[in-house]
Amino acid sequence: AQTVTQSQPEMSVQEAETVTLSCTYDTSENNYYLFWYKQPPSRQMILVIRQEAYKQQNATENRFSVNFQKAAKSFSLKISDSQLGDTAMYFCAFMGYGGSQGNLIFGKGTKLSVKP
Amino acid sequence: NAGVTQTPKFQVLKTGQSMTLQCAQDMNHNSMYWYRQDPGMGLRLIYYSASEGTTDKGEVPNGYNVSRLNKREFSLRLESAAPSQTSVYFCANQGQPGFGYTFGSGTRLTVV
Repeated sequence: AQTVTQSQPEMSVQEAETVTLSCTYDTSENNYYLFWYKQPPSRQMILVIRQEAYKQQNATENRFSVNFQKAAKSFSLKISDSQLGDTAMYFCAFMGYGGSQGNLIFGKGTKLSVKP
Repeated sequence: NAGVTQTPKFQVLKTGQSMTLQCAQDMNHNSMYWYRQDPGMGLRLIYYSASEGTTDKGEVPNGYNVSRLNKREFSLRLESAAPSQTSVYFCANQGQPGFGYTFGSGTRLTVV
C-alpha cells in the first residue's frame, strides 16, 4: 500500500522569505500523480500544485514550485516570497492510476506559519 | 458557482443518534468521495463512488454507510454515532483522473 510521509508537523517562516516543505512517499508503481493541497483556517481544501510522475520537469505555479525526485520518492514544496496568506496546513498527496489506486492518499500535514 | 456543496456545516450529536451528511455536486463528475480529517492524521478515505449506483470502502469505513442514488448526490450516514466519530468530514469529487479533487467546505461533527 502506498504511504505518504510529511516529517515536519510545524514550520514557520518570515514574510518574504523562502520555505521548503518536505514529503516522501512509498509506492511500487511507476506512473502516478503527486499533489500539494493548502488548508487555510477557513478549512477549505485548495489545490496548490500537481506533478505527473512521468514528467521530469518540476511543476511551478507562481510562487510555488516542487522538487520532484522520483528515484528518492521525494516531493518537496518550495514557497518563495512567503506571504501572510500562505499561513495554512499543507498536505502532500499521492494518487495512483485507476480503480482504488486512483484515490488520493494524504500525508498528515505540515502547519506553516508566516510571521510578519 | 460550480462545485461541491456539503450540509450541514456544523453538527452536534449525542452518542447513539443517527444522522446523514449530504453532499451534492454540479460538476457532472463520476467519482465522489468522503474523507474524515482528524488532528495529526491528515485526511483518511471513508467511502468512495466511482459512478452512479456504485460504492466502495476506503481506509476507515466502520460505523458509516453511504448512498449514491444519482450522479449528483453522495450521502454519508452515521447509524449510531460514537465519540470516536467526532471529526471534520469532507466530500469531494474528481473529473479527469490525475487532476485532483474538488472539495466541499467540510462538516464539523461533534459527538458527545
